[in-house]
Amino acid sequence: NAGVTQTPKFQVLKTGQSMTLQCAQDMNHNSMYWYRQDPGMGLRLIYYSASEGTTDKGEVPNGYNVSRLNKREFSLRLESAAPSQTSVYFCASSEEGHLNSPLHFGNGTRLTVT
Amino acid sequence: AQKITQTQPGMFVQEKEAVTLDCTYDTSDPSYGLFWYKQPSSGEMIFLIYQGSYDQQNATEGRYSLNFQKARKSANLVISASQLGDSAMYFCAPATTGGFKTIFGAGTRLFVKA
Repeated sequence: NAGVTQTPKFQVLKTGQSMTLQCAQDMNHNSMYWYRQDPGMGLRLIYYSASEGTTDKGEVPNGYNVSRLNKREFSLRLESAAPSQTSVYFCASSEEGHLNSPLHFGNGTRLTVT
Repeated sequence: AQKITQTQPGMFVQEKEAVTLDCTYDTSDPSYGLFWYKQPSSGEMIFLIYQGSYDQQNATEGRYSLNFQKARKSANLVISASQLGDSAMYFCAPATTGGFKTIFGAGTRLFVKA
């Protein structure tokens, strides 16, 4: 079982460059999420998609865009990368609308912006 | 906005002993779920245990249990019979808004000594 797959695992960008982080899940989950993790700050929600065709902002959406391509795939785009976006990015999925549904995480993408 | 407090940035415990990791949260939602996640040094996020805000009994899952005190908005994780593999970061994460917004605390790093 693949679960949640993120690509790439590592990426180095220069300030101003753009890139898209890809995420796919094979658990037939309706809801998908993007988080970032900075040292000492835990995980912060960037965007989420409650179901196919919908996206909503989380705690820290500025500088990011997302696309829910289909039920399986949820991508995160940095249009003009900044050093403040250096972080580890996690994609996650869950069953829709259930408070008791845990998040299933990908293995993360370590992004460095120089 | 929600606030999650994990007051212990780092803790040490002797192998085979029990340890309690503290978590307090501040939410105005009457219905919420409480999750704990583990992050080993390899970086992946692993779901450990869940407690619903209306659950009468404290949740248990193998060696993990929750000391849930709803009135105090406290959900401490108890790990019994610690093992070396329990050395990791542990995150408390309440979920609200139908489960779509899971907010993470800053985490507690647990070190298990042989």
